[in-house]
Amino acid sequence: GAGVSQSPRYKVAKRGQDVALRCDPISGHVSLFWYQQALGQGPEFLTYFQNEAQLDKSGLPSDRFFAERPEGSVSTLKIQRTQQEDSAVYLCASSFDTSGDTVTDTQYFGPGTRLTVL
Amino acid sequence: EDQVTQSPEALRLQEGESSSLNCSYTVSGLRGLFWYRQDPGKGPEFLFTLYSAGEEKEKERLKATLTKKESFLHITAPKPEDSATYLCAVQASLTGTASKLTFGTGTRLQVTL
Repeated sequence: GAGVSQSPRYKVAKRGQDVALRCDPISGHVSLFWYQQALGQGPEFLTYFQNEAQLDKSGLPSDRFFAERPEGSVSTLKIQRTQQEDSAVYLCASSFDTSGDTVTDTQYFGPGTRLTVL
Repeated sequence: EDQVTQSPEALRLQEGESSSLNCSYTVSGLRGLFWYRQDPGKGPEFLFTLYSAGEEKEKERLKATLTKKESFLHITAPKPEDSATYLCAVQASLTGTASKLTFGTGTRLQVTL
């Protein structure tokens, strides 16, 4: 079946521009996560949705970062007034349910969007 | 704060030369420990989840084990196609919104002929 998809795969932005990154989770997956991965590092948590509710946004680095999932499926991560330090790969992951069933709690990742801010 | 430390940072093996990757962790109640494989330019690919000390899981040439403080990923008779970065992550017990994964920095494995 189809996995998690992300678009665009690559984005180059001039410093100060706004960008929007899209994530299509696996169909039927309740939970959606955004992570940021710097070169040579492991992914770092940004934010988490359960259906359309954003339950945790503790990892968002500044108020320039905003995420939404209005209908509980597709999600968009928006970065306003991009800075060079925002350059990274942005990964989206989805899982079926995190209500307590460990079998369905596995997070499946998309290919990522590589953002380069010049 | 949950922490994950992976070692070594990089490992070069010859084809057929078995070895182990280490993942040490501290977490406020472990819900699960996850191993992922990541190829260059791609997202992490799920390998295993371990839930309790003593648990072991195997897939082809890979075997993951778990203790109360660390996990090992054993690679038996590796092949060049096993070359990748292997990421370890922990998930704390589900309290409120504690569903996120905390990752280590990974071990870059290169297997040569």
